[in-house]
Formats: sequence, structure tokens, C-alpha cells
Amino acid sequence: KAGVTQTPRYLIKTRGQQVTLSCSPISGHRSVSWYQQTPGQGLQFLFEYFSETQRNKGNFPGRFSGRQFSNSRSEMNVSTLELGDSALYLCASTPNRGANYGYTFGSGTRLTVV
Amino acid sequence: AQSVTQLDSQVPVFEEAPVELRCNYSSSVSVYLFWYVQYPNQGLQLLLKYLSGSTLVKGINGFEAEFNKSQTSFHLRKPSVHISDTAEYFCAVTLTQGGSEKLVFGKGTKLTVNP
Repeated sequence: KAGVTQTPRYLIKTRGQQVTLSCSPISGHRSVSWYQQTPGQGLQFLFEYFSETQRNKGNFPGRFSGRQFSNSRSEMNVSTLELGDSALYLCASTPNRGANYGYTFGSGTRLTVV
Repeated sequence: AQSVTQLDSQVPVFEEAPVELRCNYSSSVSVYLFWYVQYPNQGLQLLLKYLSGSTLVKGINGFEAEFNKSQTSFHLRKPSVHISDTAEYFCAVTLTQGGSEKLVFGKGTKLTVNP
């Protein structure tokens, strides 16, 4: 069974640009969550998608957005990039809503903003 | 609101020694608790989870954790570590708000196993 796939693995962008990251969950998993990991702030929740609807959102500015498609694949978008957006972005999937399933994480996309 | 405190940011140990990584959480309601491991340039891998029932939880790679409700702790232990256990370990607790759940993570503990 394939794991959670995140593309691309590495990305370098310039301040002011926008970026789109992709996440393909484990087959059959319907819930996708996104986390930002930085050395200073640690792991912070961005949002959760289930059945193509955003169900939960973390405390991030509106420049961070996402969506989920009918096949459960998810994308997140960051517009007007800032240096502070440099981070490892992790996607996690679960069969259904509820943390009791245990999240399965992808390897992440490392975004560097210069 | 739930929060997680990992008491040690770095733990160095020698190979084959026992190790305990400490985690305390604050919550007034029932929670689910997790330990994840992150190897360099990798995502997070679930080691073990506590949902209910027996307070001693066994996970992968010989790790186990004990849920202590009175002390609000969920410490991770391994009786004999290997070089390959060198990684960063994260404790996490569920946070439920408005009918939605998310994981709240501790800051992580970097375990370094020396030969």
C-alpha cells in the first residue's frame, strides 16, 4: 500500500511569489491535514480537509489556503511568500475524521523562500 | 486548551542503555496521546498511541509508553537503544474544538545514541 505522497520534495521560491504544494493520501483515506514545521515554532496545524470541505483551520493568515479534490488529493497554496514561510510542510491522512485513527504523514515538502 | 510539554529538548545516551523521553500534557478532558518519530529529512512516523484501556502501550521498534492520568504524563521508554534510534521524537495530544479534532505537538526531543 503506497504511503502519503507529497510533491515536490524541495522548492525554492522568491519573496512575493506564490506556491502550490500537493498531497496524495493513502488510498481510501478521506481526511487530509496539513502542518507547518519550523525550528522556532515546531509543528503547527494549518488545516484539515474532508469530503472536499475545509473542516478545521489553524491560526495562519489568509495567504495560506487549500483545497481537496473528489479523489481526496489535496493541495495547499501560499500566496505572496514571505521569508518566514520557509519551512517543512507536512501532509497527513487518516481513513476518516478523528485522531484516534492515527495520522500517517508524508515525507514533506521543504520550502525555502529567498 | 490542551498543550504538550516535552521536558528535554536533547537526550544523549550510549548504545544499549535504557532511555526515557518525558511528556506531560494539560487537559481537563479525555484525550488521545501519541508518540511520533522523525528521522532526518523525513516525515513523522507513528510509534504508538493511547486511546483507552491498558495504560501501558507497546509500539514499534521496541518502544513503549505509559499513560498516567494523575500525573498527566505519557513518557516514552526503551530498555536498550540502538544507534538507529537517533532521531527526533514528538509527543502529541488531540485537541477538540467545535466538533473538530487536530493534533497538538510538543517541541520535540532529539535523541542521540552514541557508540
